[in-house]
Amino acid sequence: SYVLTQPPSVSVAPGKTARITCGGNNIGSKSVHWYQQKPGQAPVLVIYYDSDRPSGIPERFSGSNSGNTATLTISRVEAGDEADYYCQVWDSSSDLWVFGGGTKLTVL
Amino acid sequence: EVQLVQSGAEVKKPGESLKISCKGSGYSFTSYWIGWVRQMPGKGLEWMGIIYPGDSDTRYSPSFQGQVTISADKSISTAYLQWSSLKASDTAMYYCAIRLRPYYFDYWGQGTLVTVSS
Repeated sequence: SYVLTQPPSVSVAPGKTARITCGGNNIGSKSVHWYQQKPGQAPVLVIYYDSDRPSGIPERFSGSNSGNTATLTISRVEAGDEADYYCQVWDSSSDLWVFGGGTKLTVL
Repeated sequence: EVQLVQSGAEVKKPGESLKISCKGSGYSFTSYWIGWVRQMPGKGLEWMGIIYPGDSDTRYSPSFQGQVTISADKSISTAYLQWSSLKASDTAMYYCAIRLRPYYFDYWGQGTLVTVSS
């Protein structure tokens, strides 16, 4: 089955740029979606189709996807961005949805 | 406004049955897939399965096939997740979410906490 690999944690200072990676075999050929989950809350979609932002999501959030790695980039990080972030794809060969293990973003 | 409202927290004993619900509003309930996602305490998101309420076409993750049943009642715009015999390892938060476009979840319910303990 298809596997998505994320670093367990990423730390960044306020105002800096955070990059959260999501690795998978030839992930560049798939559409990658990202969710933000704050403590005690349901997940929220922040990026879909690799780099599109839903309405209401700040432009500071962006995404890219190529080769074996997709990346969620958060620019000018704020304290309120501290959360768990999950990548997700649909594996067409198995018709299964797959989530990455999640990355905890800590704002120093 | 699209909304998914889930049923309240449950506390059950091992071996008991349970059915939790997810009521959709603000969109055409029969036209979009609804999925279920498990989150065990302190852990990540796991996709359990998905149903198309229009014709009840249902897909399951191999990890959950045979362990749960996903269903929907389009007359009341509600999707369900049920267990016939709960285990302590079923203790988790369960989320429903709607797929408006392929293949991601646009909106999520607030979650239903299921606690299974003797």
